[in-house]
Amino acid sequence: QKEVEQDPGPLSVPEGAIVSLNCTYSNSAFQYFMWYRQYSRKGPELLMYTYSSGNKEDGRFTAQVDKSSKYISLFIRDSQPSDSATYLCAMKETSGSRLTFGEGTQLTVNP
Amino acid sequence: DSGVTQTPKHLITATGQRVTLRCSPRSGDLSVYWYQQSLDQGLQFLIQYYNGEERAKGNILERFSAQQFPDLHSELNLSSLELGDSALYFCASSVGTANTEAFFGQGTRLTVV
Repeated sequence: QKEVEQDPGPLSVPEGAIVSLNCTYSNSAFQYFMWYRQYSRKGPELLMYTYSSGNKEDGRFTAQVDKSSKYISLFIRDSQPSDSATYLCAMKETSGSRLTFGEGTQLTVNP
Repeated sequence: DSGVTQTPKHLITATGQRVTLRCSPRSGDLSVYWYQQSLDQGLQFLIQYYNGEERAKGNILERFSAQQFPDLHSELNLSSLELGDSALYFCASSVGTANTEAFFGQGTRLTVV
C-alpha cells in the first residue's frame, strides 16, 4: 500500500465550479501537508502548505487537513480554465526533508 | 519563472551510457533537492544537499550520484543507464533544510534508447 493515495482522475468540471481534490495517507508521523500544481511539461509549483490539522485559505484556494482521519483536501472556488493542471499533494514528517507525493489528480476546467 | 535553472531540457542517450544533469538554485537558496518523475512511480525524492553537504537520501539508485559545488549549483550523475531510467528529473531549491517551501525547476527530460 502506498503511503499517500490520490485519485488520478481525470476530473472535468465547468468553469465557475467548486473543485474538491483529496488525498489520504497512512503515516501518522506526517505533519506538513503541501499542494502543488503542475502544468503539462512544467515543474511543480507550490500552492500552499499547512502544518498539522486545520484550514488555510489563499485567494480561491483552501487547504484542509484532518489528521484524525488522515485526510487532506484542496478546494478551488470559482474555477477557471487556467486552473487546468495536475494537482499533487505532498507530505513530510516534522524532522527531515523527504517529501512523499501523491500521484496527482489531472483537472480540466471547461469554459 | 521559479528562478531554478536546469540544463539540458532534453537528453537522449543510449543504454549503458552516463549523463550529467545540472541545476542552478534560486539566488540565496542553500538547499538543492533532486526528484525523478515517471509515469509508473510518480514524483520520487532522490537526494538533498545543503550548503555542499548531503543532507537526506531518498530512493536514489547506487548508479546515481549527486554533488553540490561551492557556488551552490548541483549536478546529478546517472550512469549505466537503463531504459527504465527514462523520466523527468527535477531539481528544487529552498533557503533552509525543511523542504516546506521549495521551488522547482522546469526539469530535464531524459530518454534512454
